Amino acid sequence: TQLLEQSPQFLSIQEGENLTVYCNSSSVFSSLQWYRQEPGEGPVLLVTVVTGGEVKKLKRLTFQFGDARKDSSLHITAAQPGDTGLYLCAGRSWGNTGKLIFGQGTTLQVKP
Amino acid sequence: DADVTQTPRNRITKTGKRIMLECSQTKGHDRMYWYRQDPGLGLRLIYYSFDVKDINKGEISDGYSVSRQAQAKFSLSLESAIPNQTALYFCATSDPQGQGVSDTQYFGPGTRLTVL
Repeated sequence: TQLLEQSPQFLSIQEGENLTVYCNSSSVFSSLQWYRQEPGEGPVLLVTVVTGGEVKKLKRLTFQFGDARKDSSLHITAAQPGDTGLYLCAGRSWGNTGKLIFGQGTTLQVKP
Repeated sequence: DADVTQTPRNRITKTGKRIMLECSQTKGHDRMYWYRQDPGLGLRLIYYSFDVKDINKGEISDGYSVSRQAQAKFSLSLESAIPNQTALYFCATSDPQGQGVSDTQYFGPGTRLTVL
């Protein structure tokens, strides 16, 4: 069974601080996605990383896929209250199955 | 209008009752999915369908069944609801890109189900 371990599960910080969320597995994935979910809504895709070692930036968010394609990180610079939400990583197995394996999620609270 | 809609948004029912959750999409995607979300467990796949004639079990299909009535509609049934099926249920769709490595899943707003 493929598992994705996300850490930390909860994070409460002050506006302006930096943070990193980790997503780790013993399995190799063809790609990894990060989703953000707000209360009362479904997850929304932030980014997909496909190549080992790939780094993608989305404004203040930096996503990295590990060289071995087993892990990923999300770094937020100068967090803002609008970044508050649940962040989910999701790995895709090899082959055209379309199925995703989700991590447990990281609940982020950014206080003004 | 939302591309993926779910009905009902909230439902409270009793143990043993049959429940159906419905999902409709206007994105024109062939692939549809049902997930449940529990605190601290992320999203777990219940069933998925790659087209109208294709239905597949996910990792936690016991106690659930599905029906793909049309490309746009995918419903989830709990034949005899039990309290540990209390959860947030999400429907999603996707449109495979190439080998499906990077296709996006589009989620509905979710149905909060409580089984007493």
